[in-house]
Amino acid sequence: ETGVTQTPRHLVMGMTNKKSLKCEQHLGHNAMYWYKQSAKKPLELMFVYSLEERVENNSVPSRFSPECPNSSHLFLHLHTLQPEDSALYLCASKGGGELFFGEGSRLTVL
Amino acid sequence: QKEVEQDPGPLSVPEGAIVSLNCTYSNSAFQYFMWYRQYSRKGPELLMYTYSSGNKEDGRFTAQVDKSSKYISLFIRDSQPSDSATYLCAIHTSGTYKYIFGTGTRLKVLA
Repeated sequence: ETGVTQTPRHLVMGMTNKKSLKCEQHLGHNAMYWYKQSAKKPLELMFVYSLEERVENNSVPSRFSPECPNSSHLFLHLHTLQPEDSALYLCASKGGGELFFGEGSRLTVL
Repeated sequence: QKEVEQDPGPLSVPEGAIVSLNCTYSNSAFQYFMWYRQYSRKGPELLMYTYSSGNKEDGRFTAQVDKSSKYISLFIRDSQPSDSATYLCAIHTSGTYKYIFGTGTRLKVLA
């Protein structure tokens, strides 16, 4: 079992759909992150949760809604997305100063 | 001005070459400097983590930090085709949750 697991790995959705991305970490860390990775752009920090409390919210549109029910799980709920939201969404957990990333969920919005 | 600047490449080198990857940053308050490697269709993985100015070596990889110039480098010696990946620099300040990444440099090592 890898340290940070993301599901689904690939997702195609229409602009009117509602879907969720899931992240689970097995490392015992207290902080979890959502990043967006688009081609030729730096990783964009979206949200950070520490001990299930949101500590960073980086001006992300409300069509992205995070949820952190416990320190091991993080969700990103998606609704009414736009084609420009197509990207790789990376989850990470923080331990010892290092970020440990999952393999990402590749999202395509039609 | 971007907080971290990194040439996106792509950079193509022959097998066995020495590779130099670089980033510049704007805020002298940054304290921790990292290099991540990201293979295609995978998440980034940490390669090197440094705090102070100077060099840190790990096998074929050397990370260099020059705080006076706000410049960080990653050197890869005897590059291999398996080193073909995107390399991202990242910067962090103690006591915060923010990790700021460069755009990543795509490296191809040709056999």
